[in-house]
Amino acid sequence: RKEVEQDPGPFNVPEGATVAFNCTYSNSASQSFFWYRQDCRKEPKLLMSVYSSGNEDGRFTAQLNRASQYISLLIRDSKLSDSATYLCVCGDFNKFYFGSGTKLNVKP
Amino acid sequence: DTGVSQDPRHKITKRGQNVTFRCDPISEHNRLYWYRQTLGQGPEFLTYFQNEAQLEKSRLLSDRFSAERPKGSFSTLEIQRTEQGDSAMYLCASSSSGARHEQYFGPGTRLTVT
Repeated sequence: RKEVEQDPGPFNVPEGATVAFNCTYSNSASQSFFWYRQDCRKEPKLLMSVYSSGNEDGRFTAQLNRASQYISLLIRDSKLSDSATYLCVCGDFNKFYFGSGTKLNVKP
Repeated sequence: DTGVSQDPRHKITKRGQNVTFRCDPISEHNRLYWYRQTLGQGPEFLTYFQNEAQLEKSRLLSDRFSAERPKGSFSTLEIQRTEQGDSAMYLCASSSSGARHEQYFGPGTRLTVT
């Protein structure tokens, strides 16, 4: 079983839509959680950390559910520029595991 | 530009040759990570340094792979006797000593083994 599982998508949504991604992780000892975005043939870029209480950054909201071992990302008012692959990450201080990513296509 | 840099950006080598990649982290970051990424997959953890100490190494990292960070600044990743299965993007990331371990990635070195 993979350490981090994500729905690969693609999620095809119109501009302005709200879209949500979930990700599950297997190691209950994981301490740090993140969402990264990756554009085609580019390096991953940090989107946001995920805190236990949930956190919001503009149109992006991340949630952590430790009991069910999943994290989520909500994107409101999708923009064309949000089209990318979104990677879920969890780790236990020295080692981090990335999901395979969820592809998002935002259409005009 | 004070981000993470990697060199070379592309490397084509013949099977059986040795290759070495370099990573220069963000200057104040004492944590450095190496990952490997293949098409359609997320980055796969290879190894972690805190300053010059290699504190974690993936069991996936065969004995053909070695990494160093001799002075706690730049790091090198060497692959000996390359195989076609080593073809991938090799990514380096660094983070500060804060509790969150937020990692910032370099542009990667794309390795092609022919």
